[in-house]
Amino acid sequence: GESVGLHLPTLSVQEGDNSIINCAYSNSASDYFIWYKQESGKGPQFIIDIRSNMDKRQGQRVTVLLNKTVKHLSLQIAATQPGDSAVYFCAERAAGNKLTFGGGTRVLVKP
Amino acid sequence: GAVVSQHPSWVICKSGTSVKIECRSLDFQATTMFWYRQFPKQSLMLMATSNEGSKATYEQGVEKDKFLINHASLTLSTLTVTSAHPEDSSFYICSARQGSPEAFFGQGTRLTVV
Repeated sequence: GESVGLHLPTLSVQEGDNSIINCAYSNSASDYFIWYKQESGKGPQFIIDIRSNMDKRQGQRVTVLLNKTVKHLSLQIAATQPGDSAVYFCAERAAGNKLTFGGGTRVLVKP
Repeated sequence: GAVVSQHPSWVICKSGTSVKIECRSLDFQATTMFWYRQFPKQSLMLMATSNEGSKATYEQGVEKDKFLINHASLTLSTLTVTSAHPEDSSFYICSARQGSPEAFFGQGTRLTVV
């Protein structure tokens, strides 16, 4: 069911530093994972994805790491910029091609 | 990436009325569209999966008679919130997928029921 309203965990990071956002997923059968960025009042925006047969994938300034042993996913953002301030969600795909979203992490970039 | 457009971006309606939200894939044909609901400071919760030409599959706890979904074409799905009440106020988001696992999201619709 729906979770009770909670404050999102927040990661405060200095501009120019690297950010690491973590996500624990629940379904060992999930075969595909995505990181999304959501700015206030907008829909999620695709950042990077990774399939379960990989453990690392790099994009522009972003790297996703997948540890299937402990069911953990992380997103690393290099040289964090003010425009990176947003809420970040991980999502996993299991049966039925449906995406299940994690709880989200708010990233605040301090100038 | 592909573009998914939702309309309207925001809507205010009176309690008891119905509201229709449109989700369009602008530059691709979407075999599957998904509807999500998001409360403030919470994650996206899947409401239903919509396949063109067939009935939507609703998630557990989502009332199909209250949230009517129609996927009339490969580029359009609609969500109608019937007899809306203040507790239906939320951010509704659709996503569309062509065939790849990646789904593209609309910009969301803020529904406020007064």
